Amino acid sequence: NAGVTQTPKFQVLKTGQSMTLQCAQDMNHEYMSWYRQDPGMGLRLIHYSVGAGITDQGEVPNGYNVSRSTTEDFPLRLLSAAPSQTSVYFCASRRYYQETQYFGPGTRLLVL
Amino acid sequence: GQQLNQSPQSMFIQEGEDVSMNCTSSSIFNTWLWYKQDPGEGPVLLIALYKAGELTSNGRLTAQFGITRKDSFLNISASIPSDVGIYFCAGPPYGGSQGNLIFGKGTKLSVKP
Repeated sequence: NAGVTQTPKFQVLKTGQSMTLQCAQDMNHEYMSWYRQDPGMGLRLIHYSVGAGITDQGEVPNGYNVSRSTTEDFPLRLLSAAPSQTSVYFCASRRYYQETQYFGPGTRLLVL
Repeated sequence: GQQLNQSPQSMFIQEGEDVSMNCTSSSIFNTWLWYKQDPGEGPVLLIALYKAGELTSNGRLTAQFGITRKDSFLNISASIPSDVGIYFCAGPPYGGSQGNLIFGKGTKLSVKP
């Protein structure tokens, strides 16, 4: 199993550009989540999904969209990038009956 | 909303020393999780605790689920340089959605050889 994979690893955007961060898992996990990590802030939940076709907002959802058309994939879309979205983004997944989440390696995003 | 407060924020210790860190909340948690994040990597689960009073070990790491269900502790014995990283506590919010976890802000550990 590859576990949780994320692409790209690094990305530089200009303010106002849009992009999609990709996340995939091959463990047949029902739940998937997106977090952002900023210095001294820990991990904050952006959006999450409890199954294909079902998504919900987390703590910091503004400026981000998600969709879950398959169990395996959970892309995160930045509609119009802003410097405040400069961060490290982590995708995670887990089985519905377990609290333990498995994290991807992260995407480092710089918005100029 | 529910928050997890971790202390200390950072620690600088000598190799071989023992380390203690804790995580507290004003709300009850039914599960406590401890993760470690190596530099440039995603967090990795170290220990999961499911019952108040539970004490669980994973090698040199020992974690405890506080009896009040509002705190948890992580101890590392005889630290080594590869223990360097950020340690996070986390848990599913009580009464909240099953889809997410709340994370503390982390304890950054530095180990001098």
